[in-house]
Amino acid sequence: GAGVSQSPSNKVTEKGKDVELRCDPISGHTALYWYRQSLGQGLEFLIYFQGNSAPDKSGLPSDRFSAERTGGSVSTLTIQRTQQEDSAVYLCASSLTGGGYEQYFGPGTRLTVT
Amino acid sequence: AQRVTQPEKLLSVFKGAPVELKCNYSYSGSPELFWYVQYSRQRLQLLLRHISRESIKGFTADLNKGETSFHLKKPFAQEEDSAMYYCALSGQGTALIFGKGTTLSVSS
Repeated sequence: GAGVSQSPSNKVTEKGKDVELRCDPISGHTALYWYRQSLGQGLEFLIYFQGNSAPDKSGLPSDRFSAERTGGSVSTLTIQRTQQEDSAVYLCASSLTGGGYEQYFGPGTRLTVT
Repeated sequence: AQRVTQPEKLLSVFKGAPVELKCNYSYSGSPELFWYVQYSRQRLQLLLRHISRESIKGFTADLNKGETSFHLKKPFAQEEDSAMYYCALSGQGTALIFGKGTTLSVSS
């Protein structure tokens, strides 16, 4: 079946612009995660959605970052007023449910802020 | 605080040599530990988890609660093992906390 998909695969934006990154999880997966992968920092947790529960936003680095998940499926990560330090690969993952279930990762969106 | 430490950024070995990728964690409860791997130009994927106590592609990892470690081992490295390896921790119903990763390079 189809895996996790993300769009766009690459995004170049000017400093100060807003960007939206999209994630389509595996159908039937109730848990969805966003991570940021940057050189030297490894994988950094951003936000976690589990079913209809309030999302865990504890990893969002600033209030410029937000995410929503509509209808328990597609998720959008929004970064407002982008800064150069936001340049990274943004990864989305989904799992059957939260906790110790295997997470399936998307290919990522490479964001470059110039 | 929850934390995963992978002390080595890069580990270079020759084909056929034993491999040990180190992982130490900090967690107040009973965590679940995982190893994820990312091969060149491929997606990040699960390699193994401690709860399964399985061997995948010849790799094993034992959870040592006393030393709070979950080192990944393989007795004889292969060139196709070259990849980035991430150790990760999950508490009860939480997202994964990843280490910074170790690049394994296996040369002939």
